[in-house]
Amino acid sequence: AQSVTQPDIHITVSEGASLELRCNYSYGATPYLFWYVQSPGQGLQLLLKYFSGDTLVQGIKGFEAEFKRSQSSFNLRKPSVHWSDAAEYFCAVVGNTGGFKTIFGAGTRLFVKA
Amino acid sequence: GAGVSQSPSNKVTEKGKDVELRCDPISGHTALYWYRQSLGQGLEFLIYFQGNSAPDKSGLPSDRFSAERTGGSVSTLTIQRTQQEDSAVYLCASSAHQGAGNTIYFGEGSWLTVV
Repeated sequence: AQSVTQPDIHITVSEGASLELRCNYSYGATPYLFWYVQSPGQGLQLLLKYFSGDTLVQGIKGFEAEFKRSQSSFNLRKPSVHWSDAAEYFCAVVGNTGGFKTIFGAGTRLFVKA
Repeated sequence: GAGVSQSPSNKVTEKGKDVELRCDPISGHTALYWYRQSLGQGLEFLIYFQGNSAPDKSGLPSDRFSAERTGGSVSTLTIQRTQQEDSAVYLCASSAHQGAGNTIYFGEGSWLTVV
């Protein structure tokens, strides 16, 4: 069964600094991978997703993520963080055989300091 | 509808009472999920409906939890004999059709507090 690990419970970065949120997955084949964001008081919103092809995918709000098969990782990055990026970020995986159930990681809470 | 709609948005109930949470998915979406998010916790998968297939109930934490989906649209999550540890946000989500690559869209959640 597929699983997702987000090793960092919370991360604090300074506004304007770069950001990388880690995500590792466990699945026997190439999964479908997603990053969602949950801002305070708001619902979950899709940032980006990877199916196949180019391993570097671009998302909304200036985010990108890179799929690395050898490391079973799908880390989320942003070159310059804005205060409005403070939120909870969830990595998710969907297996591509049977069921298509979406499994989420535990989430990483991002704090942005001035 | 325009998005996934959940009701009630907030529910306070006494320990031992039963509660029902409702989810209206986006019109035409065949896949429907229920997740639970406890304070400071991640998203815990509860149950997944896909079209006419048997639901995946593997995430339901106990037999006090059940869910059904009528007519392939509206879903109800029922918690019987509620306990304080059931306090959480219950999130419903839907996606367009079977397929691993489909984005799932979340509702705003139902905040359940058991006192």
